[in-house]
Amino acid sequence: DVKVTQSSRYLVKRTGEKVFLECVQDMDHENMFWYRQDPGLGLRLIYFSYDVKMKEKGDIPEGYSVSREKKERFSLILESASTNQTSMYLCASSPHGTGNTEAFFGQGTRLTVV
Amino acid sequence: GQNIDQPTEMTATEGAIVQINCTYQTSGFNGLFWYQQHAGEAPTFLSYNVLDGLEEKGRFSSFLSRSKGYSYLLLKELQMKDSASYLCAVFSGGYNKLIFGAGTRLAVHP
Repeated sequence: DVKVTQSSRYLVKRTGEKVFLECVQDMDHENMFWYRQDPGLGLRLIYFSYDVKMKEKGDIPEGYSVSREKKERFSLILESASTNQTSMYLCASSPHGTGNTEAFFGQGTRLTVV
Repeated sequence: GQNIDQPTEMTATEGAIVQINCTYQTSGFNGLFWYQQHAGEAPTFLSYNVLDGLEEKGRFSSFLSRSKGYSYLLLKELQMKDSASYLCAVFSGGYNKLIFGAGTRLAVHP
């Protein structure tokens, strides 16, 4: 059974804290993605990675950074959390290549910054 | 720029048919996906189109026209459990960057 696991379902952090969201996949996928999901705005791409140590900015990278030191793990870092980063964060992974390269999602992390 | 548009909300009656449209403008195209997302849950895969035409999968079908930048998801014999958000997503770019539309919230009524 394919699996994408996010380290926390719910997280509460204080303004200014450094926050790490972890995502691990067991499917040997090359691509990994971080999205945030807000009501009325859908899933917005923050960063994605197509290989170890490789990353590309998505549509809303400001205030975030990422790390991919191992193929199975993709971390999202909020350097200094702010209240406008309160959101649902979703991680996904997919294989490279053509054809039906379906993306699989983790269960999401609901982050509240107070 | 990159843009994926879907209607925000739709309502339909149990047993009926509903069509959810999606238009896209992206730099590069490597396929279009439809995902279903129930409230509080992760998105789950429904369908994939990369060539023009209709893909049928049980009660769900998806259509693609690459020249028009247009897709639709057709849901037949609607059931109450089909009440969910439906997300249109495009793989674009050399490394399969996956971009989503804002989603269409479908409410199915008895």
